[in-house]
Amino acid sequence: AQSVTQLDSQVPVFEEAPVELRCNYSSSVSVYLFWYVQYPNQGLQLLLKYLSGSTLVKGINGFEAEFNKSQTSFHLRKPSVHISDTAEYFCAVSPLNTGFQKLVFGTGTRLLVSP
Amino acid sequence: GAVVSQHPSRVICKSGTSVKIECRSLDFQATTMFWYRQFPKKSLMLMATSNEGSKATYEQGVEKDKFLINHASLTLSTLTVTSAHPEDSSFYICSARELAGVGETQYFGPGTRLLVL
Repeated sequence: AQSVTQLDSQVPVFEEAPVELRCNYSSSVSVYLFWYVQYPNQGLQLLLKYLSGSTLVKGINGFEAEFNKSQTSFHLRKPSVHISDTAEYFCAVSPLNTGFQKLVFGTGTRLLVSP
Repeated sequence: GAVVSQHPSRVICKSGTSVKIECRSLDFQATTMFWYRQFPKKSLMLMATSNEGSKATYEQGVEKDKFLINHASLTLSTLTVTSAHPEDSSFYICSARELAGVGETQYFGPGTRLLVL
């Protein structure tokens, strides 16, 4: 079985400051890793994903994440946030042996960017 | 990008009635659609996976007679909450996998908020 932990339920940050949203996972099999963003009253949108290769993954809107296998982490970072980045961010994993059929989500982190 | 819509966006119903939620892929064909349930301050929980033209596969603990799923075409899946009760109140989200695209990407709908009185 898999589980995803996002320890921070809410992260307040000032505009133009850097931010890191933490994600740790547990799995008995290898997984693919994803970050999704959910803006108010909208569906989840894929930010970035790690399937294989370079452990540093760049996504949309200036976000990036680094896969650390030894620490089973996939933290999301942005060097300078904007007001429009205010949203809910979900980390998710998909076991390799499910053909991408199964996504297991964390509880989400609400990023609050203030001026 | 691929767009998934859900209808209605929110619904209020009386206890004992049934509610149907539609999930449509607007600009692509989806072989597989997924239904999730999201509780306040909780993660999305996968309820079931539906493949076009076949029976849905339900996750453990999800009552298939309670949550009826139909995937009649490559662009439409429906979730019917039968004999709804207040504990069924929740946010229901669907997603769809593109037929000809990169298989690992699921495109999500905006969700349907159900309130059962």
